Amino acid sequence: KQEVTQIPAALSVPEGENLVLNCSFTDSAIYNLQWFRQDPGKGLTSLLLIQSSQREQTSGRLNASLDKSSGRSTLYIAASQPGDSATYLCAHGSSNTGKLIFGQGTTLQVKP
Amino acid sequence: KAGVTQTPRYLIKTRGQQVTLSCSPISGHRSVSWYQQTPGQGLQFLFEYFSETQRNKGNFPGRFSGRQFSNSRSEMNVSTLELGDSALYLCASSLAVQSGVPGYTFGSGTRLTVV
Repeated sequence: KQEVTQIPAALSVPEGENLVLNCSFTDSAIYNLQWFRQDPGKGLTSLLLIQSSQREQTSGRLNASLDKSSGRSTLYIAASQPGDSATYLCAHGSSNTGKLIFGQGTTLQVKP
Repeated sequence: KAGVTQTPRYLIKTRGQQVTLSCSPISGHRSVSWYQQTPGQGLQFLFEYFSETQRNKGNFPGRFSGRQFSNSRSEMNVSTLELGDSALYLCASSLAVQSGVPGYTFGSGTRLTVV
């Protein structure tokens, strides 16, 4: 069974800290890995997409890495801000037929 | 560029009724996927449609069905609603180009409450 695990489940940090969210997966044949952000009661906002042939992607203060051999991805958030408070989800696709396997998410709180 | 549009945003239904949810993908996107999100199970894949054909299906009972129209808009239907069907239903669209690997754009979801 394909599984995605995210650690930690919750995280509370003071504003300005750099932080790392972890995602591990059991399927070695992933097509891609995507990080999303979800605000309470809202849909998902795509943050970064890493293709299986890539090692990392960067967007502003966010950097995501992918290590297929170890089955891990990390999302690095630099200089965290209160507006970063949300749930962060990682998901991978194993085919091009629309099925994403999601982790349970990491709920981040950044305190002013 | 308009995003993925889901309607309605909120629904309250009674057990035993049926419900239809709608999803309009980003213009040009031909793949539409549906997910159910609950606090206990997280995000679970329902099904995916591409060019009006269901290409993949998750592990849900036959009460959950869907379809896609020629303009790529998709609907999902849940018949004989149960309390456990209360959830946020999300749809995602993608270019699903053959040579590349698609990323997905999600809509804001439909919050279904079954009473």
